[in-house]
Amino acid sequence: QQPVQSPQAVILREGEDAVINCSSSKALYSVHWYRQKHGEAPVFLMILLKGGEQKGHEKISASFNEKKQQSSLYLTASQLSYSGTYFCGTETGNQFYFGTGTSLTVIP
Amino acid sequence: DVKVTQSSRYLVKRTGEKVFLECVQDMDHENMFWYRQDPGLGLRLIYFSYDVKMKEKGDIPEGYSVSREKKERFSLILESASTNQTSMYLCASSPRQGHTEAFFGQGTRLTVV
Repeated sequence: QQPVQSPQAVILREGEDAVINCSSSKALYSVHWYRQKHGEAPVFLMILLKGGEQKGHEKISASFNEKKQQSSLYLTASQLSYSGTYFCGTETGNQFYFGTGTSLTVIP
Repeated sequence: DVKVTQSSRYLVKRTGEKVFLECVQDMDHENMFWYRQDPGLGLRLIYFSYDVKMKEKGDIPEGYSVSREKKERFSLILESASTNQTSMYLCASSPRQGHTEAFFGQGTRLTVV
């Protein structure tokens, strides 16, 4: 039931854009996105509740296609502080399932 | 601020030992979760509890059990630790009301030797 993320890892230069995809085999009620920096707990970024709805957080936004059971996270004009591992989390009933993770590294 | 506290940051245990990982949250959340984090595999759900004394299996419950005697505390038990249980363990909590964020503890890095 774990959602699958792609790519597994990405390296960006400062200012470049990236897209992280999350796909589930189960019907989704919502999609959460979290970022985890090395040695720290995952931190909540945003939640999406409806199909096709986009939300934003600074220069990070996301979309949720309920029919396709997919979500994408968009990072624009990346900054060094964006480095970390990104997880999507999907709600199925009362349970949270988190994705396989995407390691993002931003270099100067 | 919501606080989820895990009792240990680092643990080293011997094969065959019984291991207890403790998690306490201070926001009166109904839902509590235990995840295991391994490189390339993301966060995998071990067990979930939505109320005191209630529990549900996640994706990888084998070799683990849980206990929730009080609302604020959720314990993960490795009945007989094995080397393949060496991992980072993360506890999380959330309100029963859906569509809200989960709050994580700092994690316990368990090494079984």
